[in-house]
Amino acid sequence: GEDVEQSLFLSVREGDSSVINCTYTDSSSTYLYWYKQEPGAGLQLLTYIFSNMDMKQDQRLTVLLNKKDKHLSLRIADTQTGDSAIYFCAESIRRRYSSASKIIFGSGTRLSIRP
Amino acid sequence: ETGVTQTPRHLVMGMTNKKSLKCEQHLGHNAMYWYKQSAKKPLELMFVYSLEERVENNSVPSRFSPECPNSSHLFLHLHTLQPEDSALYLCASSEGLWRSGANVLTFGAGSRLTVL
Repeated sequence: GEDVEQSLFLSVREGDSSVINCTYTDSSSTYLYWYKQEPGAGLQLLTYIFSNMDMKQDQRLTVLLNKKDKHLSLRIADTQTGDSAIYFCAESIRRRYSSASKIIFGSGTRLSIRP
Repeated sequence: ETGVTQTPRHLVMGMTNKKSLKCEQHLGHNAMYWYKQSAKKPLELMFVYSLEERVENNSVPSRFSPECPNSSHLFLHLHTLQPEDSALYLCASSEGLWRSGANVLTFGAGSRLTVL
C-alpha cells in the first residue's frame, strides 16, 4: 500500500528540540523527504535521505530512518519561532514495471512554538 | 521570473462556473504535478505530466481536466465543481520522473479555491 502517516499537531517550547515523526507503508521507498510549508506558501524541501542510510544531519536538522519499522523522524534543534510551519513527510517509490518515481505525502504536522 | 508561479492565488466560483488554474515554471523541469491540499488530509496527488504526456491520473473526477501544452505550463480546467472541491491546489515541478536520484519537487504557492 501507499500510505504516509503523521500526527497533526506538535507544540514545543522555544529553544527546545522538536521531533516530528512519520510512518510509511511502502517497503520499496527509495528516498524519503521532509518539506516545510509556511503560511500562504507552497511546500519547500528541507532535506531528504536515501533509503539505505539511517541518519542525515544538516545544521539544526537531523533525520533518522528506521527502515525495518518504516519510521522516519525529523529533529529540529533549538527550535525558534521561525520554525512554526507545517512539516510534511513524503516517500518516493518506484512504480512496478516502471522506473518512474511517484511521491506520496503525509497530512503534515503543524508545529507551534510557545514562549 | 524564476520558480513555480500559480495564478490566480484565490478563486471563488459557483457550481455552474467554468474556470482554469494556471501554473508556470521557469526551471527547465520536465515533470509537472497537480496536488490537492485539504485540511487534515494527506496531500493528494491528482495528475502528473512528464514531457507533456500525462503519466498519472489518480481517479480524479472528470470535472477536473488538466492540460499541459508544453513543459513550462500546466493548467487545471474546472467545471461544475462541488463545495467539497474547495481546497488549496498546488502545482509542482521536478527535473524528471525517470532520474535515478532524488525526485525533488519545487512547489508554487497554490491557488485557494472556494466553491459556493
